[in-house]
Amino acid sequence: LAKTTQPISMDSYEGQEVNITCSHNNIATNDYITWYQQFPSQGPRFIIQGYKTKVTNEVASLFIPADRKSSTLSLPRVSLSDTAVYYCLVGDKGQAGTALIFGKGTTLSVSS
Amino acid sequence: AAGVIQSPRHLIKEKRETATLKCYPIPRHDTVYWYQQGPGQDPQFLISFYEKMQSDKGSIPDRFSAQQFSDYHSELNMSSLELGDSALYFCASSLAGRGPPYEQFFGPGTRLTVL
Repeated sequence: LAKTTQPISMDSYEGQEVNITCSHNNIATNDYITWYQQFPSQGPRFIIQGYKTKVTNEVASLFIPADRKSSTLSLPRVSLSDTAVYYCLVGDKGQAGTALIFGKGTTLSVSS
Repeated sequence: AAGVIQSPRHLIKEKRETATLKCYPIPRHDTVYWYQQGPGQDPQFLISFYEKMQSDKGSIPDRFSAQQFSDYHSELNMSSLELGDSALYFCASSLAGRGPPYEQFFGPGTRLTVL
């Protein structure tokens, strides 16, 4: 999996939009960009995945510029329950059983 | 929907004892992963199995072993426990070839405390 860099922490208030940017300068042609969310003492949870341009689901949006050297996870109108650690992972499809390699995630703190 | 089941949820052991953690993947999932997360640390991959065969191996100590059984459940066996083994142990499962790459479903974890 390619190396990624993301902010250690971010603070926000309820109702605001939060954008977390991840840098992955060495991303390869076949690599996907995947984001996970982890609450304290719980297992990580898959949020969203994309390859290029924009992907949106019921939880978040993922913006990927044309050069794919970075990506931005966008959380619309955050609430207190969005306080968690967010991990950006980059890698190709791999074979069955390929591990997730978690780097340093971004701790998002949402206040009222 | 059914989720990944892990047992026990909490386990307290003494140094040099052994422990066995169990994982029951989501029905029809054929791939199981084990991760270790120490206090304040990021999850670290230990080992994975696909169709009952070891698929990928990470930083799993030689004191640990794991296997996946015919019903696809998996067990992580830990021997000669050390204080540093105290951590949350997560099991995850996925269905090969289905869904987005790298979409794994994590269980609630087993909190192991070594005294």
